[in-house]
Amino acid sequence: DVKVTQSSRYLVKRTGEKVFLECVQDMDHENMFWYRQDPGLGLRLIYFSYDVKMKEKGDIPEGYSVSREKKERFSLILESASTNQTSMYLCASSLGPPDPPSEQYFGPGTRLTVT
Amino acid sequence: DAKTTQPNSMESNEEEPVHLPCNHSTISGTDYIHWYRQLPSQGPEYVIHGLTSNVNNRMASLAIAEDRKSSTLILHRATLRDAAVYYCILEDGGSQGNLIFGKGTKLSVKP
Repeated sequence: DVKVTQSSRYLVKRTGEKVFLECVQDMDHENMFWYRQDPGLGLRLIYFSYDVKMKEKGDIPEGYSVSREKKERFSLILESASTNQTSMYLCASSLGPPDPPSEQYFGPGTRLTVT
Repeated sequence: DAKTTQPNSMESNEEEPVHLPCNHSTISGTDYIHWYRQLPSQGPEYVIHGLTSNVNNRMASLAIAEDRKSSTLILHRATLRDAAVYYCILEDGGSQGNLIFGKGTKLSVKP
């Protein structure tokens, strides 16, 4: 079974702190994704990566950056955390070329609270 | 991106079939139809996907209308563990694989 793990289930940080959210997948997937999920807004894509050292902006990249130095690891970075970044963060991975589309496997999520 | 419309919520009885509808009237010829579900306190989970033909797997069936403007996810015998939010998503076959989640249908299953 594919496993996508995230470094923390719950995290509390202060405004202005630099925050790292780590995601690791164990199935040699090419694509990795970071989403945030907020009540009433559903899941929104922040960034994704389809290869090592490659990244693409999603729908809401402002205030975030990402790093993918190794194929299995995709990190989301909040350079200076703000209260409006309090959210559930979900990482996902998928096998590769989207034709035919490959299913995304999600991690359990990290609930981040910024105070 | 083509959008989908789903009911906000549905109820079902345990061990009965459930039909979850999705409208996607602006679907294009290259859009795949995906279904995911999210159980409470978990990340979303892939259920099924299709392009034109009906699809079956161990979790569910996907019935796609002939004009592809709507589809129905069928759970053949609902269990309490099927209570979740179900998302119907269109994905452009030429895209990088990123999915756009809507608000989904919250399915409640009564014993």
